[in-house]
Amino acid sequence: LAKTTQPISMDSYEGQEVNITCSHNNIATNDYITWYQQFPSQGPRFIIQGYKTKVTNEVASLFIPADRKSSTLSLPRVSLSDTAVYYCLVGALNSGYSTLTFGKGTMLLVSP
Amino acid sequence: EAEVAQSPRYKITEKSQAVAFWCDPISGHATLYWYRQILGQGPELLVQFQDESVVDDSQLPKDRFSAERLKGVDSTLKIQPAELGDSAMYLCASSFRAGDNEQFFGPGTRLTVL
Repeated sequence: LAKTTQPISMDSYEGQEVNITCSHNNIATNDYITWYQQFPSQGPRFIIQGYKTKVTNEVASLFIPADRKSSTLSLPRVSLSDTAVYYCLVGALNSGYSTLTFGKGTMLLVSP
Repeated sequence: EAEVAQSPRYKITEKSQAVAFWCDPISGHATLYWYRQILGQGPELLVQFQDESVVDDSQLPKDRFSAERLKGVDSTLKIQPAELGDSAMYLCASSFRAGDNEQFFGPGTRLTVL
């Protein structure tokens, strides 16, 4: 199973763009990169998933370089409500069972 | 919007007692997961069901933990006897298919063992 490394914590201010980078040097060919968000006392929530290049949805963008050994979650114009833990995971799709492994995540604190 | 339901939301018990948690996944989701999350850590997968069958329970402490999904819909996770180290958040999640990386999590059950 590919392991991921991401910063333990990050600080930002309202209205700024936040980029959280995740390293996954041992990513396998059939692995996808998935990001989850978790607020205190709630279950994690899927944010975005990608395989290569760039993926964008209404919440975030995910940038994946050609070697796929890292990825960057980009949150545009964060607000106080974006304060949460963000998890980067890698795992194969449709393998018949979940290969996702959660690490400790990145605690993002957004201040006024 | 459909959600994963879990009960109870909070449970306080004494060590050596038995506890049980219930989960109702999103309708139509064939795969159900139970996770344990210790404060400050990410969720750890305990068991994964595909319909009523266990797909992966390699991280489930089988001497005290058991899980079932008899009709392939809702599921129960049991701990007997509970130990102090079992204090954690127990999360249930579901996905449409096995291996989907988009899992839908419930609100969790916060267990405190005294």
